[in-house]
Amino acid sequence: SQQGEEDPQALSIQEGENATMNCSYKTSINNLQWYRQNSGRGLVHLILIRSNEREKHSGRLRVTLDTSKKSSSLLITASRAADTASYFCATAPTSGTYKYIFGTGTRLKVLA
Amino acid sequence: DAGVTQSPTHLIKTRGQQVTLRCSPKSGHDTVSWYQQALGQGPQFIFQYYEEEERQRGNFPDRFSGHQFPNYSSELNVNALLLGDSALYLCASSLTAYNEQFFGPGTRLTVL
Repeated sequence: SQQGEEDPQALSIQEGENATMNCSYKTSINNLQWYRQNSGRGLVHLILIRSNEREKHSGRLRVTLDTSKKSSSLLITASRAADTASYFCATAPTSGTYKYIFGTGTRLKVLA
Repeated sequence: DAGVTQSPTHLIKTRGQQVTLRCSPKSGHDTVSWYQQALGQGPQFIFQYYEEEERQRGNFPDRFSGHQFPNYSSELNVNALLLGDSALYLCASSLTAYNEQFFGPGTRLTVL
């Protein structure tokens, strides 16, 4: 079964609004990463947050991690049409494996 | 500095055939992971190579095999192709296991 599950599955917002997507996972993790994918192409790395971190920022992106709830959120502020893409979280478990597990993704559509 | 490159971009095969996909990692990266992404799904971990050895394997049959060369480039081989093997195959490289993964553009495999 999937380790990471994103919520919502799809999100449609107006340009300039903020977009929030969530990721839940099942086991303890080493780190959690967020990726963006445009139209079935390669994934672009956005942010890596380690298990001992609670929040990270990168430009218009803010990621939070709550290890007690086994969840993470990605906030995109002041969204643009170019942010239209699928967003995935990926977790690296701490069980001594090297297997990143991806969720099914959130499809974000930003309307101009 | 070139990022992760993959070849070919697209490939069409028939059932029962064999295919080899190639990946060159980002300069300086020693770890290569392969993923299969079906349409509308998140990437599924196939295996990871480090120091020319398969370090971790996902839930894929033995028909899926790989190789890593001394220059860290990698190949993914799939034997006895099935219709269900049609997918986007993604290669990702990283510097050691628990750092950011950089993805290539993928190889779109269609099995007829």
